[in-house]
Amino acid sequence: KAGVTQTPRYLIKTRGQQVTLSCSPISGHRSVSWYQQTPGQGLQFLFEYFSETQRNKGNFPGRFSGRQFSNSRSEMNVSTLELGDSALYLCASSLGSSGGGETQYFGPGTRLLVL
Amino acid sequence: AQSVTQPDIHITVSEGASLELRCNYSYGATPYLFWYVQSPGQGLQLLLKYFSGDTLVQGIKGFEAEFKRSQSSFNLRKPSVHWSDAAEYFCAVGGNTGRRALTFGSGTRLQVQP
Repeated sequence: KAGVTQTPRYLIKTRGQQVTLSCSPISGHRSVSWYQQTPGQGLQFLFEYFSETQRNKGNFPGRFSGRQFSNSRSEMNVSTLELGDSALYLCASSLGSSGGGETQYFGPGTRLLVL
Repeated sequence: AQSVTQPDIHITVSEGASLELRCNYSYGATPYLFWYVQSPGQGLQLLLKYFSGDTLVQGIKGFEAEFKRSQSSFNLRKPSVHWSDAAEYFCAVGGNTGRRALTFGSGTRLQVQP
């Protein structure tokens, strides 16, 4: 079974631009979560989508948004990019059918550099 | 609020030596605990997880971890380290309320000397 895939793997943007990142979960997984990883803040939860609905949200500004499609693929969007948005963005998928202890499987990430 | 502390930012061990990476958590109820490993430029790979039951958990690549409720700890161990174990290791806690949001520790970077 194929793992979690993320595209693109690398991105360079300038301040003020917007960016869209894509995540395809493992087949059969209905929950997709997004995390931001930076050297200063570490790994932080952004949001989780399940059945096309945002189910949980972390403490990030409204510039960060996401959506999920009927095939469980997810996108996240960051508008009005700031230098501090430079990070590795990780997507994780899980079945979504059980409680919070469900194993999340991570993709390789998209590395975003904002200049 | 849940939190995870990994006191050691960087650890260096010799190949063949034993390893213990420390993890302390704060959570109001019985936590779901995870150890993930991240190689440079890669995503996170699950090593093992604890939900309930036996407090000694076996994982992949010869790793094990022990849940100690009295110490709020979930330390990762390996009896003999291989050069390929060099990576960054993250401990994480997840809630049991249906939230899938994991709270991660700051990570421990492991260096293996030949």
